[in-house]
Amino acid sequence: GAVVSQHPSWVICKSGTSVKIECRSLDFQATTMFWYRQFPKQSLMLMATSNEGSKATYEQGVEKDKFLINHASLTLSTLTVTSAHPEDSSFYICSARDGGRGYGYTFGSGTRLTVV
Amino acid sequence: QQPVQSPQAVILREGEDAVINCSSSKALYSVHWYRQKHGEAPVFLMILLKGGEQKGHEKISASFNEKKQQSSLYLTASQLSYSGTYFCGTERMYSGGGADGLTFGKGTHLIIQP
Repeated sequence: GAVVSQHPSWVICKSGTSVKIECRSLDFQATTMFWYRQFPKQSLMLMATSNEGSKATYEQGVEKDKFLINHASLTLSTLTVTSAHPEDSSFYICSARDGGRGYGYTFGSGTRLTVV
Repeated sequence: QQPVQSPQAVILREGEDAVINCSSSKALYSVHWYRQKHGEAPVFLMILLKGGEQKGHEKISASFNEKKQQSSLYLTASQLSYSGTYFCGTERMYSGGGADGLTFGKGTHLIIQP
C-alpha cells in the first residue's frame, strides 16, 4: 500500500528559529500533498495544499510567509515553520494519496513541534 | 465547512456495538473514515463515494446517504484495539480539476473497556 514518510517525528526549537519538516511518498508519486495541523485534543485542520512544480495554496487564516511549502519533486514536500513561536507548537501531519478521488489518503507519522 | 460528528465520546464494554455519525451541510463527493490513537497519525479505514454506498471489513462498516449528506460508521462486537478517536473527513464536490484535501469533523472518542 501507499506509504508516506515524515521526518522528524519530533523537534524542539527555540523561539525565533526555523524548522523544516519533510514529507515523502515512498512507493508512489504525489503531485499533490496536504499539510495539516492538529492541536491537542482537537481535529486536524488543513493548512495548505502542496503542488509539485507550483506554488502552494493556503487555507484561510494560514500565513504563507510563516509556513513555507516547497514541493520540488513528485515524492517530496517540505514545510518550513519560520520564526517559530510557542503558539506554533503543534502536531503537523502531511498526507497524500496514490490515485484519484476514489482513493483514501495516507498520512505521514506526524511531527510534534515544541517551541520553547 | 466542518462536518458535524456525533457522539463526541462513547464508552463501551468489549463486545458491544457503536455507531458514529457524520453530517455535512455541503454537497459531498466522498466521506473518509479514520482512526487515530493518541500521539499517532490517523489511519485510513474506508472511503465511501456514492449515495447509498455501504462498505465494510471485519467488524467495521459504514454507509453514506448522499441525499442527506450523512455517513455512519458501525463498529460491531468491539475489541479493545478499536479504542481511539474516529474522524470523518469529507471531500466536497467541485467542478474544476485538482485535489482538494479533507475537512475533518471534531472526532469521536471511543473507549473500550474490558
